[in-house]
Amino acid sequence: QKEVEQNSGPLSVPEGAIASLNCTYSDRGSQSFFWYRQYSGKSPELIMFIYSNGDKEDGRFTAQLNKASQYVSLLIRDSQPSDSATYLCAVNWEYGNKLVFGAGTILRVKS
Amino acid sequence: AAGVIQSPRHLIKEKRETATLKCYPIPRHDTVYWYQQGPGQDPQFLISFYEKMQSDKGSIPDRFSAQQFSDYHSELNMSSLELGDSALYFCASSLEAVSPEQYFGPGTRLTVT
Repeated sequence: QKEVEQNSGPLSVPEGAIASLNCTYSDRGSQSFFWYRQYSGKSPELIMFIYSNGDKEDGRFTAQLNKASQYVSLLIRDSQPSDSATYLCAVNWEYGNKLVFGAGTILRVKS
Repeated sequence: AAGVIQSPRHLIKEKRETATLKCYPIPRHDTVYWYQQGPGQDPQFLISFYEKMQSDKGSIPDRFSAQQFSDYHSELNMSSLELGDSALYFCASSLEAVSPEQYFGPGTRLTVT
């Protein structure tokens, strides 16, 4: 079992809707959680990171962390076709150390 | 803003050859990470350096070696290449003392024939 789990999708949402992406992780005193967006053949692009329980908002994106339930989610409001990509959840169990990625969720936004 | 630079962007090698990948981190970033991403897979951590010293090691084959130089750029050396080494190789950098955020370079696509 992978230490970071994501539903591979694809998740299809209509343009303008809210896309909800989820990620669960193994409890190892996890410290920081990251969401990356990756277009096919391109490098992962950091969307945001979160390390405290609760919500963190940045523009159309909101990350939610629930350490008791060991899950982190990413909400994308007003989804656009350009948001169609693979979204990677990553966990950093020790400050300054490697990222462990989930397998990624494919998001398709239909216009 | 300046980003991570990787070279070359594409590399084609034959089996048993050697390849060298280069990474130039974001200015003032002190930590460099190398990741390998095979087709349809998530990035897998290989190795990292903090202040020119190896800080962590992942699933890096013994055929691979890496180092970070005094100007903080890093090189990944890959010898006795195998077909299975064909992948995207990403370098990421961070400023460890300030933030855990890792920023990825554009990657090097290595094809072994």
